Amino acid sequence: RKEVEQDPGPFNVPEGATVAFNCTYSNSASQSFFWYRQDCRKEPKLLMSVYSSGNEDGRFTAQLNRASQYISLLIRDSKLSDSATYLCVVNKLAGNMLTFGGGTRLMVKP
Amino acid sequence: GAGVSQTPSNKVTEKGKYVELRCDPISGHTALYWYRQSLGQGPEFLIYFQGTGAADDSGLPNDRFFAVRPEGSVSTLKIQRTERGDSAVYLCASSLNPGANVLTFGAGSRLTVL
Repeated sequence: RKEVEQDPGPFNVPEGATVAFNCTYSNSASQSFFWYRQDCRKEPKLLMSVYSSGNEDGRFTAQLNRASQYISLLIRDSKLSDSATYLCVVNKLAGNMLTFGGGTRLMVKP
Repeated sequence: GAGVSQTPSNKVTEKGKYVELRCDPISGHTALYWYRQSLGQGPEFLIYFQGTGAADDSGLPNDRFFAVRPEGSVSTLKIQRTERGDSAVYLCASSLNPGANVLTFGAGSRLTVL
């Protein structure tokens, strides 16, 4: 079983739609959680950190459920520019190495 | 520099050859990471440096892979006797310190082994 699992998609949604991605992680001792965004043939870039209380950044909302070892990302009012791969990322307790999921691909259509 | 710089951006080599990939991290960043990303997959951890020393090399797939960071800034990933399965994008990232948890990635070096 992979340490961080994501549905690879693709999720095809129309502009303006709300879309949600989920991610599960296997290490219950994991401490830090993030969503990174990766555009085609580009490097990953930090989208947002994920806090236990949930957090929002504009149209993006991240949630963490430690009991279920589950992280989510909600995107409201999708834009064409949101088309990308979204990577769920977890901190490995034993060191400072971040573990990446396989990514979920989002395609926003006009 | 302003960002993480990686060279070469593209490298095509033949099976069995030796390859070096270079990473120049953001100035002042003490932590440096190498990841490998295959098509359709997420980045896979290879090795992490804190200063000049390799703090965690558990991700290196075998002894054909080796990395150095002799002066605590620039790092070189070295791959001996390349195999077709080594074809991937090799990503370097740096962070201000190990506890920062936020990585800034370079654009990557795309390696193709024929």
